[in-house]
Amino acid sequence: KNQVEQSPQSLIILEGKNCTLQCNYTVSPFSNLRWYKQDTGRGPVSLTIMTFSENTKSNGRYTATLDADTKQSSLHITASQLSDSASYICVVSGGTGGFKTIFGAGTRLFVKA
Amino acid sequence: SQTIHQWPATLVQPVGSPLSLECTVEGTSNPNLYWYRQAAGRGLQLLFYSVGIGQISSEVPQNLSASRPQDRQFILSSKKLLLSDSGFYLCAWSTRLTEAFFGQGTRLTVV
Repeated sequence: KNQVEQSPQSLIILEGKNCTLQCNYTVSPFSNLRWYKQDTGRGPVSLTIMTFSENTKSNGRYTATLDADTKQSSLHITASQLSDSASYICVVSGGTGGFKTIFGAGTRLFVKA
Repeated sequence: SQTIHQWPATLVQPVGSPLSLECTVEGTSNPNLYWYRQAAGRGLQLLFYSVGIGQISSEVPQNLSASRPQDRQFILSSKKLLLSDSGFYLCAWSTRLTEAFFGQGTRLTVV
């Protein structure tokens, strides 16, 4: 069964600290993995996209890694800011019989002053 | 540039009333279009997707339906809303697997 699991479910950190969010998936065959940021009550906004051949990609203070062998991805946020408070969603596309896009349940990040 | 419009932003409807949410995309042709629902504190669930005019695929059985009367217009409907239809509805578009762009969402509360 194609699944995407994210951890932790929620996370509280102090402003300026770093954090890492995890995403494990079982989608096969794999096409690509995306990380989205979703502010409360808004639509998700894409942060990074990685295909099979890419194992790291950065977007400002956000750095995503991908290990296609272990089917794991992480999103590292450096020097967190209050505006980083949001849900971070891991999305994996692939699967047999046509394309499937599977969304993780997200990690809710709270950055406190 | 491409943009996606979704409205209304919020909606409160009584049980048993009809529903119509509209989504339009600008700046692209023949996009793939999607409707998602997000229950409070939960992940996104794909409801419908469309690869062309009049082509609708449903991912889960439910009280909702979708239509695509024009290339860049996607409509989510219901004839009679249920309490369980409350949620955050998101429209999205893409032209390839490697990207999807989301609208701002509609917060639907069925009372």
